[in-house]
Amino acid sequence: QKEVEQNSGPLSVPEGAIASLNCTYSDRGSQSFFWYRQYSGKSPELIMFIYSNGDKEDGRFTAQLNKASQYVSLLIRDSQPSDSATYLCAVTHPGGYGNKLVFGAGTILRVKS
Amino acid sequence: GAGVSQSPSNKVTEKGKDVELRCDPISGHTALYWYRQSLGQGLEFLIYFQGNSAPDKSGLPSDRFSAERTGGSVSTLTIQRTQQEDSAVYLCASGQGSNQPQHFGDGTRLSIL
Repeated sequence: QKEVEQNSGPLSVPEGAIASLNCTYSDRGSQSFFWYRQYSGKSPELIMFIYSNGDKEDGRFTAQLNKASQYVSLLIRDSQPSDSATYLCAVTHPGGYGNKLVFGAGTILRVKS
Repeated sequence: GAGVSQSPSNKVTEKGKDVELRCDPISGHTALYWYRQSLGQGLEFLIYFQGNSAPDKSGLPSDRFSAERTGGSVSTLTIQRTQQEDSAVYLCASGQGSNQPQHFGDGTRLSIL
């Protein structure tokens, strides 16, 4: 079992719709959870982070965390064609030092105008 | 600039040569990480620095890989006797602390001929 799992997609949504991206993780000791957006040929860009159970909203983005279910999600409201990218879920690895990030393989999102 | 700076942006070299990749983190960020992203592969952790120390080197794939950080700032990743499987995008990230969000540079695309 991979440490961080995401559906590879592509997830296709029409412009203006809500895009829902999901991620599960295997290590219950993980404490911090991040969503990065990566455009083709570019580096990952941090868009959301969440540490506590529940929802966290920032503009059109909402991150949701359920530690009991080991599940984290990202909702994008009013999706725009510019949101088309790969979304990477990252979880801090509780072992060792420094809380290195363990990444999922990413979900490709396509927003159609 | 305010972001993480990496150089060179692209590097093409022959198999067997040594290469040096440089990362200049965001000013004031004490935590620095190296990751790599291979074609079709996810992001994988290489090494973590806190200040000038590297308490987690668990991701370095072989003893051909080494890294250092000086003055709590700039870091250099060195790959000796490069192999074709070393071809990847090498990404540097920095953060304010070990559990804080990590911000990525634009990466160095390394191609081994």
